[in-house]
Amino acid sequence: DAGVTQSPTHLIKTRGQQVTLRCSPKSGHDTVSWYQQALGQGPQFIFQYYEEEERQRGNFPDRFSGHQFPNYSSELNVNALLLGDSALYLCASSLGPGLSGNQPQHFGDGTRLSIL
Amino acid sequence: AQSVAQPEDQVNVAEGNPLTVKCTYSVSGNPYLFWYVQYPNRGLQFLLKYITGDNLVKGSYGFEAEFNKSQTSFHLKKPSALVSDSALYFCAVRDWGFNKFYFGSGTKLNVKP
Repeated sequence: DAGVTQSPTHLIKTRGQQVTLRCSPKSGHDTVSWYQQALGQGPQFIFQYYEEEERQRGNFPDRFSGHQFPNYSSELNVNALLLGDSALYLCASSLGPGLSGNQPQHFGDGTRLSIL
Repeated sequence: AQSVAQPEDQVNVAEGNPLTVKCTYSVSGNPYLFWYVQYPNRGLQFLLKYITGDNLVKGSYGFEAEFNKSQTSFHLKKPSALVSDSALYFCAVRDWGFNKFYFGSGTKLNVKP
């Protein structure tokens, strides 16, 4: 039973560039959430996708966007990269976005994004 | 608004001694509380959760957590620490109504031989 997989594992970009991160959810899960974890901090919720739509969004600018595909996989896109975007980006999957989702989210190992 | 606080940046214990990692919460409505562990360069691994029922919750790897409603706390405990328990521990509360989580700032646990 494959868990949550993310690619790439590491990425180096320069300011102003654009980046796309990818996530495949755990088998049987249909909801994907993205988190940003800056060094020394806890993960911060970016947004959540369910049924190919953004359902919830955290306090992140429009430079952060996403997409969910029919097979439930997801992409996180960040435009006009800033130095402050350097972080570990975590993808988490779960079954359902709502109250029925009392099960824990399952996390991938993340993509380490470094902005030079 | 939902939030959790982890008052200790670091906890040091000797192997074989009991450990406690503290967490307090602030929620509107019933709290759905979780503990996760993160090893270097890895994602978060689920340890245990409190949804309802017994105040003492047992989880993976011998960890347990005590829910205390009057003190709004959800402390993580283990009777006998192992060196391999050394990692970063996060307390989290689930948003009421949506399956998204608010995480604390994390506590680094150091278990010395």
